[in-house]
Amino acid sequence: QKEVEQDPGPLSVPEGAIVSLNCTYSNSAFQYFMWYRQYSRKGPELLMYTYSSGNKEDGRFTAQVDKSSKYISLFIRDSQPSDSATYLCAMKKEGAQKLVFGQGTRLTINP
Amino acid sequence: DAGVTQSPTHLIKTRGQHVTLRCSPISGHKSVSWYQQVLGQGPQFIFQYYEKEERGRGNFPDRFSARQFPNYSSELNVNALLLGDSALYLCASSLGGIRDRALNEQFFGPGTRLTVL
Repeated sequence: QKEVEQDPGPLSVPEGAIVSLNCTYSNSAFQYFMWYRQYSRKGPELLMYTYSSGNKEDGRFTAQVDKSSKYISLFIRDSQPSDSATYLCAMKKEGAQKLVFGQGTRLTINP
Repeated sequence: DAGVTQSPTHLIKTRGQHVTLRCSPISGHKSVSWYQQVLGQGPQFIFQYYEKEERGRGNFPDRFSARQFPNYSSELNVNALLLGDSALYLCASSLGGIRDRALNEQFFGPGTRLTVL
């Protein structure tokens, strides 16, 4: 079993829809949770970075962490065609630099 | 400010050859990490270097090695290339140090796409 599980999709939604992306994990030692966006043939770009449980909002993006359920989510409001990309969840332990990634979810926003 | 830079952008090698990939971190960042991303998968951690010392190693064979230079740039070396080494190799930089114990964002470069024939 992988430490971090993420549905690879693909996920296709119409422009303006609310998108929900999720990851589950098995290691309770993870304390820091991240979402990266990766366009085709590019490096990952950091979108959201949270510590422990709770919500964090940044513009159209909201990240949620539920440590009791070992479940994290990223919500995208008012989705745009430019949001079409692969979204990677990542997490790390306290004092560690190593990021453990999910497989990535490929998202397409249709105009 | 320039972000993380990597060279070369693309590389084609044959089985058994050796390859060297290069990374320059963001100015002021002292930690560099290397990741391998196979098509359709998330990145897998290979190495972390901080202040020229190895601070972490992932589950990769000894054919993979790396080093960090006094200017904090880094090289990843892979010997005896196999077909399965074909991947996007990503470099990430961060401030490093005690900040590893707190929010310490890692910024990725564009990657080097290695194809082994």
